[in-house]
Amino acid sequence: KQEVTQIPAALSVPEGENLVLNCSFTDSAIYNLQWFRQDPGKGLTSLLLIQSSQREQTSGRLNASLDKSSGRSTLYIAASQPGDSATYLCARADDKIIFGKGTRLHILP
Amino acid sequence: NAGVTQTPKFRVLKTGQSMTLLCAQDMNHEYMYWYRQDPGMGLRLIHYSVGEGTTAKGEVPDGYNVSRLKKQNFLLGLESAAPSQTSVYFCASSYTPVGRNTIYFGEGSWLTVV
Repeated sequence: KQEVTQIPAALSVPEGENLVLNCSFTDSAIYNLQWFRQDPGKGLTSLLLIQSSQREQTSGRLNASLDKSSGRSTLYIAASQPGDSATYLCARADDKIIFGKGTRLHILP
Repeated sequence: NAGVTQTPKFRVLKTGQSMTLLCAQDMNHEYMYWYRQDPGMGLRLIHYSVGEGTTAKGEVPDGYNVSRLKKQNFLLGLESAAPSQTSVYFCASSYTPVGRNTIYFGEGSWLTVV
């Protein structure tokens, strides 16, 4: 069974801190690994996509890494801001796209 | 460009009633997905389609049926609704999961079964 696990389930940090969200997945035969953001009551917005042949992707203050051999990905957020408060989900993709349960992030002003 | 559109956005059903959720995408995507999201459970894949005329089971397919008669539409049906199907349903689409093709989501459909 393909599974995706995200740790921690929830995280609160003061504004300005750097932070890391973790994602682990079973079955390394993936096409890509994606990170999404979800605000309360809203749909999902794609943040970063790492192809299976890549090690990392960067967008602004966000950096995502992928280690297929260990089945792990991390999302690094630099200089966190209150506007970063949301739920962050990772998803492994082959023909099916399977999500983790997400990490609820709260940035304290 | 509308992207992925779900209808209806809100619905209340009585136990045993049937209904269909419609997902429409205007991006000529091959792959389409239906997910449900429940508190503390993340998104769970119900059914998906890899092209017009195809469907496949996801993680939680029981109690649901789907059809992909047209490439742009993916329908999710509940034949006999149960309170356990109270959830937020999300539709999504992508060209293919291979490479740099990301997945686009609809805004969600809130379903309550009483």
